[in-house]
Amino acid sequence: DADVTQTPRNRITKTGKRIMLECSQTKGHDRMYWYRQDPGLGLQLIYYSFDVKDINKGEISDGYSVSRQAQAKFSLSLESAIPNQTALYFCATSPSGSTYNEQFFGPGTRLTVL
Amino acid sequence: GNSVTQMEGPVTLSEEAFLTINCTYTATGYPSLFWYVQYPGEGLQLLLKATKADDKGSNKGFEATYRKETTSFHLEKGSVQVSDSAVYFCALILWGGSEKLVFGKGTKLTVNP
Repeated sequence: DADVTQTPRNRITKTGKRIMLECSQTKGHDRMYWYRQDPGLGLQLIYYSFDVKDINKGEISDGYSVSRQAQAKFSLSLESAIPNQTALYFCATSPSGSTYNEQFFGPGTRLTVL
Repeated sequence: GNSVTQMEGPVTLSEEAFLTINCTYTATGYPSLFWYVQYPGEGLQLLLKATKADDKGSNKGFEATYRKETTSFHLEKGSVQVSDSAVYFCALILWGGSEKLVFGKGTKLTVNP
């Protein structure tokens, strides 16, 4: 079984709809992240959480919100989706206190907003 | 601020060719450096890493050396295979601050048989 899972894997929705993307991990890591990937732009950090009670905005948090329901779960919401939020979304985890702080990525969710 | 600049792709090579993907960085402190790889339809996975100057990271035949004097971390492989076709991301992290990864824009590599 995958250590970092994302649901759904693909989603098509309409402008103005509320969308939730979910991430679960079995790695026991404290830190979780949400990224957005657009062609030619690399990965941009949306939100990150270093533990259940710690939520921080990343580079591009406008239009997004998150919820850390438990150590293993970190959800990303688009309250009112717009077409320029069409992208590939990745969740990642990492252990705290690690020298290298390697991040482990989920398989991604492809979101299309019409 | 902190940033990573990679050579623009796409890069197309024949099997067994030599690969170099350039990466330079700007950082306010002393970063750790990474190369991540994204195979088609998958998430990113760590390829190699280096935490201090002159360290060489290596994995699966790929190598990169942390060059502080040139602020570079170029990725190399002596003989690429079709299975190396992927998108490669250079990244850095600064300890003691926000401790967030900063990614380059990625370089797409296609290896033809």
